[in-house]
Amino acid sequence: GAGVSQTPSNKVTEKGKYVELRCDPISGHTALYWYRQSLGQGPEFLIYFQGTGAADDSGLPNDRFFAVRPEGSVSTLKIQRTERGDSAVYLCASSQNPNNEQYFGPGTRLTVT
Amino acid sequence: GEDVEQSLFLSVREGDSSVINCTYTDSSSTYLYWYKQEPGAGLQLLTYIFSNMDMKQDQRLTVLLNKKDKHLSLRIADTQTGDSAIYFCAERRDSWGKLQFGAGTQVVVTP
Repeated sequence: GAGVSQTPSNKVTEKGKYVELRCDPISGHTALYWYRQSLGQGPEFLIYFQGTGAADDSGLPNDRFFAVRPEGSVSTLKIQRTERGDSAVYLCASSQNPNNEQYFGPGTRLTVT
Repeated sequence: GEDVEQSLFLSVREGDSSVINCTYTDSSSTYLYWYKQEPGAGLQLLTYIFSNMDMKQDQRLTVLLNKKDKHLSLRIADTQTGDSAIYFCAERRDSWGKLQFGAGTQVVVTP
């Protein structure tokens, strides 16, 4: 079956621009997570959705970052007024429920110039 | 910064065993995980262990957990060149499933 997919795979944007990153979880998975991985580091948690609601957004670095999951499936991570420090690989993961293992997508590499 | 600590690099000869070590900080962690990341690829779940277990074996992989010392290790038997990758340990701290990762150990397998 299909795994977690993320689009685009690469995104280059100019400082100050707005970007949207998309995650398509495994069908039927109710839990969805966003992580950010900077070069040479492990992934850092950003936000967790259970169904349509953000159950834990404690990892979002500031109010320029926002994520939605309106129908409980696809999620979009939105970054306003991008900064060079936002450059990283953004990873999405889903699980059947919060107690099950998380399956990761290939990530979106964001480069802010 | 990460509270989960791993050594950064490990070099091993093909056919030998590899042991990757990890220390974590939260004694209430319920599950501990090992993920593998190959260049340009996403994270692949290798194995995990529940916190009330001491050991888990899965084919070439053996996970040991010392809860008293908050120490986790992954042993790969008969290491192959395809095992060259970055290995991350992660702890799950809450019921939401949020994972706290280490910085990763790069394993290089030489012929």
